[in-house]
Amino acid sequence: SQTIHQWPATLVQPVGSPLSLECTVEGTSNPNLYWYRQAAGRGLQLLFYSVGIGQISSEVPQNLSASRPQDRQFILSSKKLLLSDSGFYLCAWSVLGERVEAFFGQGTRLTVV
Amino acid sequence: AQSVTQLGSHVSVSEGALVLLRCNYSSSVPPYLFWYVQYPNQGLQLLLKYTTGATLVKGINGFEAEFKKSETSFHLTKPSAHMSDAAEYFCAVSGGGGTYKYIFGTGTRLKVLA
Repeated sequence: SQTIHQWPATLVQPVGSPLSLECTVEGTSNPNLYWYRQAAGRGLQLLFYSVGIGQISSEVPQNLSASRPQDRQFILSSKKLLLSDSGFYLCAWSVLGERVEAFFGQGTRLTVV
Repeated sequence: AQSVTQLGSHVSVSEGALVLLRCNYSSSVPPYLFWYVQYPNQGLQLLLKYTTGATLVKGINGFEAEFKKSETSFHLTKPSAHMSDAAEYFCAVSGGGGTYKYIFGTGTRLKVLA
């Protein structure tokens, strides 16, 4: 069966520090990968999605970037965090076909102080 | 372009009462529609989905939703609320076919009163 791993679960970082959140998927090949951010009262905001290695689409211009160095690995990064980067970050995957839904990781709670 | 509107950011119901969470969508292509549930500090779990075919879809935990194209709606219902249903619920749309993006509503927090 397929599983998605996302870490760390919680993170407290000072303003101006770098960020790296990692997400990996097991049990499937060529997944579509997503990073969402959830802020209170604003639902889930799609940040990036990727349909293949090295293929990244950015939905919201901001202080973050994403990379996909391997087929089932998706990384969210920042060179210098801002207070406004605080939130709950969720990684997800999907595969076009019979099961068309997205599957989510457990999320990372990021607090920038 | 696609979008989702969830009416009511907070809904309270008594235990045993009907649950109705509203979702309206906009899509330029035939939509795939989803309802997810989120418990505190956890990821999202799929409740149910509509792709094609039968417009009334049943999901886990006794939930169901009906796709109404004429009303561009996909409301979530459950006949009798249980305390364990207290959570945040998200409606989402994707374009299906070659469209890879999932667009979510702002969520509805369901509170179940004893």
